[in-house]
Amino acid sequence: EIVLTQSPATLSLSPGESATLSCRASQPISTYLVWYQQKPGQAPRLLMYDASTRATGVPARFSGSGSGTDFTLTIDSLEPEDFAVYYCQQRGNWPPLFTFGQGTKLEVK
Amino acid sequence: QVQLVESGGGLVKPGGSLRLSCTASGFTFNDYYMTWIRQAPGKGLEWVSSISNIVNSGPSIYAADSVKGRFTISRDNSKNSVFLQMDSLRVDDTAVYYCARGPIITHFDPWGQGTQVTVSS
Repeated sequence: EIVLTQSPATLSLSPGESATLSCRASQPISTYLVWYQQKPGQAPRLLMYDASTRATGVPARFSGSGSGTDFTLTIDSLEPEDFAVYYCQQRGNWPPLFTFGQGTKLEVK
Repeated sequence: QVQLVESGGGLVKPGGSLRLSCTASGFTFNDYYMTWIRQAPGKGLEWVSSISNIVNSGPSIYAADSVKGRFTISRDNSKNSVFLQMDSLRVDDTAVYYCARGPIITHFDPWGQGTQVTVSS
């Protein structure tokens, strides 16, 4: 089973700053990496898939990069609504198994 | 718009059973895999089970090891619904259970609002 490790666990920043969130896979996963955003009391929302493709309606300040084992979600010029928990997720080859990272909490400094 | 609405959660004793439902609207339900994902209190996300969109020859079903033999996913395309039959429930099954469309190759989109399942004596 592929394990995803996210860092940091908590990131404290101010609105207007840039955020860099990391997700590392225990084995190469090409670019099959997905990012979700979850706000308190809400369901997760798809942000990014295939490591760098923004989902419909996701602002351009969100960008994703990486391949193999190391992936990054970057949020430029943080808006108040960006403070949330972010999860990465991957799909195993066969049988299809889906694993999530433990999450990074982006909080207001 | 695309919408998923879960129901059926509640409080159940260890060893008991519960059946969750998820009703979809706003898209061609038959075309998509459907999935259940859960989140224990204060914890991260855990994939539970997925069911394929092919039902004539029997759908393909995938499940996490933690629920194999206890949870069964099914779907009724005539009702645009997916179900999760949960048997032999344990305290550590306590979580919000989300229904999600997909996987769409790799990802899930959108997710329902979730239904709370609490297993406690």
